[in-house]
Amino acid sequence: AQSVSQHNHHVILSEAASLELGCNYSYGGTVNLFWYVQYPGQHLQLLLKYFSGDPLVKGIKGFEAEFIKSKFSFNLRKPSVQWSDTAEYFCAVSLSGNTGKLIFGQGTTLQVKP
Amino acid sequence: SQTIHQWPATLVQPVGSPLSLECTVEGTSNPNLYWYRQAAGRGLQLLFYSIGIDQISSEVPQNLSASRPQDRQFILSSKKLLLSDSGFYLCAWSPDSGTQYFGPGTRLTVL
Repeated sequence: AQSVSQHNHHVILSEAASLELGCNYSYGGTVNLFWYVQYPGQHLQLLLKYFSGDPLVKGIKGFEAEFIKSKFSFNLRKPSVQWSDTAEYFCAVSLSGNTGKLIFGQGTTLQVKP
Repeated sequence: SQTIHQWPATLVQPVGSPLSLECTVEGTSNPNLYWYRQAAGRGLQLLFYSIGIDQISSEVPQNLSASRPQDRQFILSSKKLLLSDSGFYLCAWSPDSGTQYFGPGTRLTVL
């Protein structure tokens, strides 16, 4: 069965520190990849996505992610985090050509200290 | 623009009682619709999805059912709630099989 694994469950950083959240998936076919974010008290919202093309994708608020097909990975990065980045981050995968069903990772809680 | 609504926002129900959670989408037609559940400390798990009226697929065996009586309405139901049904329920829509957009969610506590 397909699965998504996020290695870091809880990350604590100081402001201006760099961030990298790991995400690996298990599926041998073509996939669409997503990072969603849930800020405290807000809806789950799309941070960035990869469908095809340039494997380095840029999202909102200075986030980016790199799709490395050989490693089945889609890690999320930000060079310098802010206190407002405190949130829960979810990696998700859908199978191309499917009904769009998303398989989510367990989520990573990021706490940024001012 | 498109918007997605869920209600109620929170719900506390006794074990054995029925359940009905509603999700509606505005500003689009014939969306794919999805129900997810997030249990405490865990990721989101897909429960049901629908590609059209009265077309529902279940992803996991469970105590819940879903219905889509209208194009932009998706309902999650149960005849008798279990303690294990507690969680955060999210509805999502997609114009195709790509990006999904999520509603505000319903927090259900079964006592």
